[in-house]
Amino acid sequence: DIVMTQSPDSLAVSLGERATINCKSSQNLLYRSNNKNYLAWYQQKPGQSPKLLIYWASTRESGVPDRFSGSGSGTDFTLTISSLQAEDVAVYYCQQYYDTPYTFGQGTKLQI
Amino acid sequence: QVQLQESGPRLVRPSETLSLTCTVSGGSINSFYWTWIRQPPGQGLEWIGYISYSGSTKYNPSLKTRVTMSVDTSKNQVSLKVTSVSAADTAVYYCARGAVPGVVGWLDPWGQGTLVTVSS
Repeated sequence: DIVMTQSPDSLAVSLGERATINCKSSQNLLYRSNNKNYLAWYQQKPGQSPKLLIYWASTRESGVPDRFSGSGSGTDFTLTISSLQAEDVAVYYCQQYYDTPYTFGQGTKLQI
Repeated sequence: QVQLQESGPRLVRPSETLSLTCTVSGGSINSFYWTWIRQPPGQGLEWIGYISYSGSTKYNPSLKTRVTMSVDTSKNQVSLKVTSVSAADTAVYYCARGAVPGVVGWLDPWGQGTLVTVSS
């Protein structure tokens, strides 16, 4: 199985400041034939189901605020929230869909 | 707007079978892949597997011998069965749709989830 490891496990950021969450995979997620990284990011607010934020490592889902951005390639990826808002308090998960079983990171809890 | 709703017994006895249904409204099951994910209380997400609209499946090897998924296009439902459950199967179970027709990878939308407790 591909192991996804996120860092840090938890993070406290002030309102308006930048938040950075890292995700490292045990195997390369870049598929050479289409030059795409098979990685998604989700946001799970307390008591809610996860919500898709980003796919192909850096493509923002429709309706997701542009303060959310994804970057990285191969085995190292980053989710950045450029200016933290109160509604961004949540647990964030990365997920690889390069190979089954599609695995998730352990989650990063973002607090203010 | 497509909505997914999981349903089924909230309490299952150890060694019995967990059965859940995901009902899709506001859209068709056809052309999409449907994934089941679970989340033990206070823990992270575990991918259980997926089923296509045509019935092809892929399961997590860690659960493969105990999991069966099925699809009923006439009812716009997908189903999950997990046999021989134990306390370790206690979790919130989510169904989710592949975001793009014919693509299984990233998931959107997700159902609200249903907590299934395994206890005698």
